Amino acid sequence: EAAVTQSPRNKVTVTGGNVTLSCRQTNSHNYMYWYRQDTGHGLRLIHYSYGAGNLQIGDVPDGYKATRTTQEDFFLLLELASPSQTSLYFCASSDARDSQNTLYFGAGTRLSVL
Amino acid sequence: GDSVTQTEGQVALSEEDFLTIHCNYSASGYPALFWYVQYPGEGPQFLFRASRDKEKGSSRGFEATYDKGTTSFHLRKASVQESDSAVYYCALGTGGYKVVFGSGTRLLVSP
Repeated sequence: EAAVTQSPRNKVTVTGGNVTLSCRQTNSHNYMYWYRQDTGHGLRLIHYSYGAGNLQIGDVPDGYKATRTTQEDFFLLLELASPSQTSLYFCASSDARDSQNTLYFGAGTRLSVL
Repeated sequence: GDSVTQTEGQVALSEEDFLTIHCNYSASGYPALFWYVQYPGEGPQFLFRASRDKEKGSSRGFEATYDKGTTSFHLRKASVQESDSAVYYCALGTGGYKVVFGSGTRLLVSP
């Protein structure tokens, strides 16, 4: 079954630490996204990509890097984690042939920065 | 810029009540409008969408009508069940593969 799988599901790190969140999709989709979810803000777009080697900046990119190594794999990197990055992170994918751009989400990674 | 406003942060109902969750948007042209639902411990799931004025989207008893005049896409259901308890997100897609979400509305349905 096609899916979006995120790992780890939970992560705790300290301020200044390095964190990598992983996402793999088996939907054969071109587009992949990283969102963060915070109470009162809903889902906010960090970065997205339309294919291997491509990266587009979202609405809240500061403090985050991302890399798309293959069509299936998209990584979010926090190189100097701060408490403000404590959040629930979701990866999503979408099909470039869908002009209305329906998103398919993973189950999320909960990150705590102490 | 493009934006989505959901005025209710939380809605509390009893089973068989009528549901309305309000969604208003700001965008140029004819954006695609979406409703997503998120159950506890899961990621958001696509519920349905609409892409032109007066088009009705629907799924699982939920429905919404695209209204360009009032820039709205309100979610309605005639009779809610306890299993409908979840967070509901309104969203818009403006092309270029960017989707903007509202802040979400938590629905609590008591038996």
